[in-house]
Amino acid sequence: SAVISQKPSRDICQRGTSLTIQCQVDSQVTMMFWYRQQPGQSLTLIATANQGSEATYESGFVIDKFPISRPNLTFSTLTVSNMSPEDSSIYLCSAGESNQPQHFGDGTRLSIL
Amino acid sequence: AQSVTQLDSQVPVFEEAPVELRCNYSSSVSVYLFWYVQYPNQGLQLLLKYLSGSTLVESINGFEAEFNKSQTSFHLRKPSVHISDTAEYFCAVSDRGGSYIPTFGRGTSLIVHP
Repeated sequence: SAVISQKPSRDICQRGTSLTIQCQVDSQVTMMFWYRQQPGQSLTLIATANQGSEATYESGFVIDKFPISRPNLTFSTLTVSNMSPEDSSIYLCSAGESNQPQHFGDGTRLSIL
Repeated sequence: AQSVTQLDSQVPVFEEAPVELRCNYSSSVSVYLFWYVQYPNQGLQLLLKYLSGSTLVESINGFEAEFNKSQTSFHLRKPSVHISDTAEYFCAVSDRGGSYIPTFGRGTSLIVHP
């Protein structure tokens, strides 16, 4: 199974700034995803990171706020832009192949002051 | 579209007691089913999966889940829990042959007391 490294593991940021989260997979994978997990809640899919093309965003999430890159089959980044306290959350990267379970990174715990 | 309901937000239990974490799903098509576990300050780890074949699936650490199509359930069970099983457990469902992107339940916090 794929091993996923995510960094930073946690950060405390100032309101109005941006943070880029990196996700590295130890093997080539077709599908990579970004999720948000708010305290005490389940996972909400932000977007599917597509290699070589624009990410596919879920309802309620927009590219201007959460730009995503996927330059190759092993790496993706998520940027949280112009942060506000409402963006305080855990951000999780996952990866996998179709019809197989996804594997997750350890997440980035983000707090906005 | 599919949905997942985990009926219990929190399940307290004593060590060595049996436990069942409930999961019901709804979908208009055939599904794959998963249980993930999240330990404190970690990401989600796959605990077990139902893709096809036997409806009873087992994990290496003693958990099992049974796919019940008629009741649209995939409850997770363990006959004797350990303190180390304390974690958040998420049930997830995805469509066969569809986008494959899973839908997660809200999670059940299993708290094992000594």
